[in-house]
Amino acid sequence: NAGVTQTPKFQVLKTGQSMTLQCAQDMNHNSMYWYRQDPGMGLRLIYYSASEGTTDKGEVPNGYNVSRLNKREFSLRLESAAPSQTSVYFCASSVGGALNYGYTFGSGTRLTVV
Amino acid sequence: GNSVTQMEGPVTLSEEAFLTINCTYTATGYPSLFWYVQYPGEGLQLLLKATKADDKGSNKGFEATYRKETTSFHLEKGSVQVSDSAVYFCALSAANSGGSNYKLTFGKGTLLTVNP
Repeated sequence: NAGVTQTPKFQVLKTGQSMTLQCAQDMNHNSMYWYRQDPGMGLRLIYYSASEGTTDKGEVPNGYNVSRLNKREFSLRLESAAPSQTSVYFCASSVGGALNYGYTFGSGTRLTVV
Repeated sequence: GNSVTQMEGPVTLSEEAFLTINCTYTATGYPSLFWYVQYPGEGLQLLLKATKADDKGSNKGFEATYRKETTSFHLEKGSVQVSDSAVYFCALSAANSGGSNYKLTFGKGTLLTVNP
């Protein structure tokens, strides 16, 4: 059981380049999330998808777009990368709302923008 | 809005010492509370949870009790090991005004280092 799989694990981009971070879960979860983790800031929600076909902004959505491709996959796109987007990105999923079950996290993508 | 405040780190202990990491929260309604652990280079893993007041979550020797009267969910372990060295995150999930509860709100994390 793979859980939540993120690709790539590491990436270096030049300022202005674009890229898509991929996330897939095999647990038949309804909800999926993208967070970024920065030193001293904890985890901040970028976007989430409560169910297939829906997406909503989180706390820090500027500079990002998302696609809920199907129930399994939720991608995060940086259209024009900036050094401020250097971070570790985590994808997570949950059965439905997080009230009783919490999240299952992927292992993260470490992104550096130079 | 919902928020979680946990003690600033880093926390450094010797093996077999007692651990407490404080966590307090602000939330509307009746939140569920969680502790997550992140080992170096890895994602977050659910350590324990409590979904109603006075519940005690426990796992791997760690415990936390949901205290509604003090809005707290402090993490404790009686005897830490070197392998417990990690970052610990307190989190809550509460229904919003629309009645849905899709998101976790995290504290900033506490780095624990246990020395042999």
